[in-house]
Amino acid sequence: DAMVIQNPRYQVTQFGKPVTLSCSQTLNHNVMYWYQQKSSQAPKLLFHYYDKDFNNEADTPDNFQSRRPNTSFCFLDIRSPGLGDAAMYLCATSMGVVETQYFGPGTRLLVL
Amino acid sequence: DQQVKQNSPSLSVQEGRISILNCDYTNSMFDYFLWYKKYPAEGPTFLISISSIKDKNEDGRFTVFLNKSAKHLSLHIVPSQPGDSAVYFCAASELTGGGNKLTFGTGTQLKVEL
Repeated sequence: DAMVIQNPRYQVTQFGKPVTLSCSQTLNHNVMYWYQQKSSQAPKLLFHYYDKDFNNEADTPDNFQSRRPNTSFCFLDIRSPGLGDAAMYLCATSMGVVETQYFGPGTRLLVL
Repeated sequence: DQQVKQNSPSLSVQEGRISILNCDYTNSMFDYFLWYKKYPAEGPTFLISISSIKDKNEDGRFTVFLNKSAKHLSLHIVPSQPGDSAVYFCAASELTGGGNKLTFGTGTQLKVEL
């Protein structure tokens, strides 16, 4: 089945220690998104890639970066995680400007 | 500044009855609206959507209504089933950088009781 896969499902890191979350997809979609969802809040878009073009949201902290080495994979790098970065991180994909986005199961990040 | 609001954090309905979930938005640039369903420990799953040029879209037991003048949409589930128990997110879409930015509400926890 075509899907969006996120690894790991749970990630524990230490305050200030760089961490990378990964997302892969078998849908062959050209757009990949990263959302952050804190407890009891709405998912919030951090950035997205349209093919190789990176689009950052204006209010996304510089601490968050992303890489997309090929169509199938996208990574979220948090350079120096703070306690406030503990959240669920959701990866999603879509085909071009089609509005429907397909989400992975998410990675729950815990910062100690 | 919450552009998409779901004012009911939770809703409890009896099996077989209608569930009505509501959503309000403030940004007139939104051109498409979606409902997602989320079970614990899973990502949101697309349920149904509606274009801003329509006022109703139906898919089986699920119907979404859009009132543009009131900036309000609702999701109707009838009849409700226990398997419908989940968190429902309303999302609004706008074009950005070649993709679509989804702005989500905070979700409504639906519980369908036997």
